[in-house]
Amino acid sequence: SQQGEEDPQALSIQEGENATMNCSYKTSINNLQWYRQNSGRGLVHLILIRSNEREKHSGRLRVTLDTSKKSSSLLITASRAADTASYFCATVPYAGGTSYGKLTFGQGTILTVHP
Amino acid sequence: GAGVSQSPRYKVAKRGQDVALRCDPISGHVSLFWYQQALGQGPEFLTYFQNEAQLDKSGLPSDRFFAERPEGSVSTLKIQRTQQEDSAVYLCASTIYGTNSLSGKLFFGSGTQLSVL
Repeated sequence: SQQGEEDPQALSIQEGENATMNCSYKTSINNLQWYRQNSGRGLVHLILIRSNEREKHSGRLRVTLDTSKKSSSLLITASRAADTASYFCATVPYAGGTSYGKLTFGQGTILTVHP
Repeated sequence: GAGVSQSPRYKVAKRGQDVALRCDPISGHVSLFWYQQALGQGPEFLTYFQNEAQLDKSGLPSDRFFAERPEGSVSTLKIQRTQQEDSAVYLCASTIYGTNSLSGKLFFGSGTQLSVL
């Protein structure tokens, strides 16, 4: 079963604009990760934020995490046509001292960046 | 190899046929996962190996699905008597981390697209 719900399901923007995608989840987590998937390809890890972190940056990516609302957002600044892809959030559940990193994915946001 | 390798890239099977999907993880990676991704959906967990031990198979949809990793490296996902609802992309992922370690990112292969006619 899917852990998260992502919003919006699809997003279409012009190059240079910012893109924001949201993810909500249901259970307590160890960490939350964002992945990107180009059409017909596997998933590529973008960024990981732990449950005790509130914000993280990596290049043009900014991720926030609000554990009280069980939600996260991914912001891509100054988007490029090459950013066109599907973006998925994935959570690793909190399991006390034992975790093997099993990911539960959301349904994804399809981002289209027009040149 | 440099990344996770899956073969075949595409597989077409007639309903009722058995199929075997192969995954070569990154060398030295302890953990190996199989995921199933239906069209337009996020990946769904199937099973997990730590070395050769299958520690979690809770996501396997039926007893027609079987996975193994006998020497703790290459893994095979076998589907017996395929059905149309088995049509999906099957993704393999690996990580150097094992149990009781800090959970980190997974490295995914490009997947095997299975079409059952």
